[in-house]
Amino acid sequence: AQSVTQLDSQVPVFEEAPVELRCNYSSSVSVYLFWYVQYPNQGLQLLLKYLSGSTLVKGINGFEAEFNKSQTSFHLRKPSVHISDTAEYFCAVTSSNDYKLSFGAGTTVTVRA
Amino acid sequence: DAGVIQSPRHEVTEMGQEVTLRCKPISGHDYLFWYRQTMMRGLELLIYFNNNVPIDDSGMPEDRFSAKMPNASFSTLKIQPSEPRDSAVYFCASSNGFNQPQHFGDGTRLSIL
Repeated sequence: AQSVTQLDSQVPVFEEAPVELRCNYSSSVSVYLFWYVQYPNQGLQLLLKYLSGSTLVKGINGFEAEFNKSQTSFHLRKPSVHISDTAEYFCAVTSSNDYKLSFGAGTTVTVRA
Repeated sequence: DAGVIQSPRHEVTEMGQEVTLRCKPISGHDYLFWYRQTMMRGLELLIYFNNNVPIDDSGMPEDRFSAKMPNASFSTLKIQPSEPRDSAVYFCASSNGFNQPQHFGDGTRLSIL
């Protein structure tokens, strides 16, 4: 079975600064990777996905992530954050032999003016 | 397009009562998932269906929990009898294929007194 580790539980950042959220996974087979965002009192919304192909994936709201197979990582980045990016972010992984989506513990991003 | 619809959004009831949570997946999606989210345990997969058939219910915590999907557009998660430790946010999600992104509803916030 696969697993996900999000290395930072909380990330404070100033408005217009860049942010990187770290995600590492473990799996012995081919993986499919996702980043979700959860705003207060809402469900999870898909930011971006890696299924195959280019290792640099662009998503909504200016986010991007890079799949690094050798480092088993899928870090999320945004060059300039807004106050509205304050939310919890979840990295998730599934694999070619498992229907289940395994979620990380989440990273809370707080953007300050 | 309508997303995943869950009802009710909030439920407060007393210990021992039966609780029924409802979910309408996105039309055309053939996978449906029920999750529970708590501060202590994060996001946990309870059960998932494929083409209305339960595939894996290993995440259902106890026999007090049951889930059904009588047709492609409706699913229920039932807790009977409910206990205070069942208090959590319950999410329903659906997807249109194996390893495709899951689309989440806004959740039901359940409080058992």
